[in-house]
Amino acid sequence: NAGVTQTPKFQVLKTGQSMTLQCAQDMNHNSMYWYRQDPGMGLRLIYYSASEGTTDKGEVPNGYNVSRLNKREFSLRLESAAPSQTSVYFCASSGLGLAINEQFFGPGTRLTVL
Amino acid sequence: AQTVTQSQPEMSVQEAETVTLSCTYDTSESDYYLFWYKQPPSRQMILVIRQEAYKQQNATENRFSVNFQKAAKSFSLKISDSQLGDAAMYFCAYKYNSGNTPLVFGKGTRLSVIA
Repeated sequence: NAGVTQTPKFQVLKTGQSMTLQCAQDMNHNSMYWYRQDPGMGLRLIYYSASEGTTDKGEVPNGYNVSRLNKREFSLRLESAAPSQTSVYFCASSGLGLAINEQFFGPGTRLTVL
Repeated sequence: AQTVTQSQPEMSVQEAETVTLSCTYDTSESDYYLFWYKQPPSRQMILVIRQEAYKQQNATENRFSVNFQKAAKSFSLKISDSQLGDAAMYFCAYKYNSGNTPLVFGKGTRLSVIA
């Protein structure tokens, strides 16, 4: 099992450009999450998807959109990138029952917006 | 809203010694989970230990143990016999035990291990 995979691992954008961060999990998990990590701020939730077909805003959703393409995939889109979106982005997933309370993380994407 | 506070931005420990990382949280709920995650320079988030709030017994995983004080809303991590590979950022996290609620993270503590 690959667990949670993210692409790309690194990306540099210019202000105003758009891009989509991809996330996939092969653990048959229902729930998926997008976090951003900034220095001194810990991880903050951007959006999450409790199940296929549903999405909800987290703490810092402005400037982002998400799509739960199917049970495996959850993408994060920046329509018009801004320097304030320079960060490391993590995708995570969690299962059902007792497993719902443990999240598994991808390796992260380091995004720089110039 | 729930909050998690890690009051030690940086800590250091001598190899083979013991170190304790502090975490406090604020919640009005009684049923929740607490976690410690380790983030080495590779950036990968690794679950170190978890604690269910309804369990009075402190969780232990090899050299890692917690001191869970529910009334005080305190959840510290003790690392015994510290190793060079323990050097990392450590994040404390809270999760309300209700469906797919997300994790709430503290800002982290950077641990250095001195040989």
